[in-house]
Amino acid sequence: GAVVSQHPSRVICKSGTSVKIECRSLDFQATTMFWYRQFPKQSLMLMATSNEGSKATYEQGVEKDKFLINHASLTLSTLTVTSAHPEDSSFYICSATQREGMRETQYFGPGTRLLVL
Amino acid sequence: AQSVTQPDIHITVSEGASLELRCNYSYGATPYLFWYVQSPGQGLQLLLKYFSGDTLVQGIKGFEAEFKRSQSSFNLRKPSVHWSDAAEYFCAVGGLGSGGYQKVTFGTGTKLQVIP
Repeated sequence: GAVVSQHPSRVICKSGTSVKIECRSLDFQATTMFWYRQFPKQSLMLMATSNEGSKATYEQGVEKDKFLINHASLTLSTLTVTSAHPEDSSFYICSATQREGMRETQYFGPGTRLLVL
Repeated sequence: AQSVTQPDIHITVSEGASLELRCNYSYGATPYLFWYVQSPGQGLQLLLKYFSGDTLVQGIKGFEAEFKRSQSSFNLRKPSVHWSDAAEYFCAVGGLGSGGYQKVTFGTGTKLQVIP
């Protein structure tokens, strides 16, 4: 159980285009999903918290108009990188929380490698 | 604010040897603690977690971790390392975020190399 998928796993795009990444919890409902960015040889940087049916909460320094997040259902959140530029190239990972009473565990997707040319 | 420190950036062990990865946390209340493993180019896989109760937690792949409140530590251990354990390991502490959800803070990771 607690499987999270991401699609696509890898994407190459031209500068100025937009890219959408999907995150799905396959066998559980996730009221909260998180989006992270990971630079080479570094830890995860939380970008935003996505709650079903409400606006995402962005971390300081993350442009909400650049990184659009939509949490359309309890099993799907999407991250759209708008007008992508080479500096947006990175590894993007989502996680979905499974709740056990008041406690939550994050389960991660396999990540999406974005390369902007 | 919660924080996690993994003092070892890189560790090399021989296959079959024991392993201990260190993790220290800072959190005002009883923390929720996690260990994740990440293989190159992959997402993170949950190894084990501590919420409450028994301070020695068993996880997958033969890993265990012990919560020591007095030392603010949650070290990960494995008695005999296999070559397939080579990966990056992240310790994480969870606490309530401003929106009422659980916000998890990750350490900087420890890269484990296993030599024959």
